[in-house]
Amino acid sequence: EDQVTQSPEALRLQEGESSSLNCSYTVSGLRGLFWYRQDPGKGPEFLFTLYSAGEEKEKERLKATLTKKESFLHITAPKPEDSATYLCAVRPSGTYKYIFGTGTRLKVLA
Amino acid sequence: EPEVTQTPSHQVTQMGQEVILRCVPISNHLYFYWYRQILGQKVEFLVSFYNNEISEKSEIFDDQFSVERPDGSNFTLKIRSTKLEDSAMYFCASSEATGYSNQPQHFGDGTRLSIL
Repeated sequence: EDQVTQSPEALRLQEGESSSLNCSYTVSGLRGLFWYRQDPGKGPEFLFTLYSAGEEKEKERLKATLTKKESFLHITAPKPEDSATYLCAVRPSGTYKYIFGTGTRLKVLA
Repeated sequence: EPEVTQTPSHQVTQMGQEVILRCVPISNHLYFYWYRQILGQKVEFLVSFYNNEISEKSEIFDDQFSVERPDGSNFTLKIRSTKLEDSAMYFCASSEATGYSNQPQHFGDGTRLSIL
């Protein structure tokens, strides 16, 4: 069964304290892995698409990497405005749907 | 930046009543989706729609649910006879293309559906 597991469930960081969020997946063929940011009461906001193992994408303080079994979202020197829930989703081959993980709730303290 | 818009932001409905949730996808997008998120749980796929027909649906999307693109801009989700367990946040999403390309899905801010 296709599955996405994210860890940790919640993370508190001091401003400037770098860390990584993990997304492990089991899927019958990977069409793509997607990272989203979700603020309270809002919809998921697209961050990155990763297609194949070894690929990396960067945007400001965020960097996403992909292996055959997992993806990491690295946050470098975070700021309070990076506080949000970060969602990982996979699109299995042969389908249109995204399968989401439960997310990591990140809180960055000033 | 173009965005997906959803109305209403909050809908309160009596159990057994019909409800229609509305979405305006991004204008040049061809693929449309509905997802739901029960409070505290993960976002779950309901249905995808392309070229005026359903391309895929989940086991959640039973006969009580239907989707329609009534005109060139709107995309709707109808629940015929609502149940308490339909209470959730419903997200509409759209993408430029799919198939062998991997254009990401872009989400609206959702409609919170509360069934009394």
